[in-house]
Amino acid sequence: GNSVTQMEGPVTLSEEAFLTINCTYTATGYPSLFWYVQYPGEGLQLLLKATKADDKGSNKGFEATYRKETTSFHLEKGSVQVSDSAVYFCALTPLSGSARQLTFGSGTQLTVLP
Amino acid sequence: KAGVTQTPRYLIKTRGQQVTLSCSPISGHRSVSWYQQTPGQGLQFLFEYFSETQRNKGNFPGRFSGRQFSNSRSEMNVSTLELGDSALYLCASSLDVQGPGNTIYFGEGSWLTVV
Repeated sequence: GNSVTQMEGPVTLSEEAFLTINCTYTATGYPSLFWYVQYPGEGLQLLLKATKADDKGSNKGFEATYRKETTSFHLEKGSVQVSDSAVYFCALTPLSGSARQLTFGSGTQLTVLP
Repeated sequence: KAGVTQTPRYLIKTRGQQVTLSCSPISGHRSVSWYQQTPGQGLQFLFEYFSETQRNKGNFPGRFSGRQFSNSRSEMNVSTLELGDSALYLCASSLDVQGPGNTIYFGEGSWLTVV
């Protein structure tokens, strides 16, 4: 079946530090890949997505590149801010079958200190 | 454009009771799905509805059910509540698009506490 593995947290960084959150997946074919972010007490917000190999998703300074050869979709940001403190989820939808069912990783808690 | 709207946002129920949660999808979205989020199990898919029909179902007991109305609004129901049902229940909507590019948008969630 499909699965997503995220680096375990929590991750604590100082403001302006570089962020990487690792994500690898197992799926048949070419799934679509997503990063969602959840701020305290809120639902999930779509951060970025990529739908085919070598695609780069980007938003709000965050980037992730769809790497088919390593089945990875690592999230990066060059300079984090305190306001980036949240839980980040990597997820996929399969190419075939239900494209409306997300499989999530376990989430990575990020805390950015001023 | 309004996002996915869920009601109520917070509720407390007693073991053995039942609960109904409501979700209004983004205008034009006909697919509605539900997820349960707990600290121990993370985010788990409950079920998905399209055109008032359940199309996919996750691995949850029959106490968890849902339905969708002709205007795409959806409700989920949990009967005979157990302490372990305490969770954030998230509703999501999307266009009915197969294959790449289908994006799923989430509501703020309904926080259910069972005491």
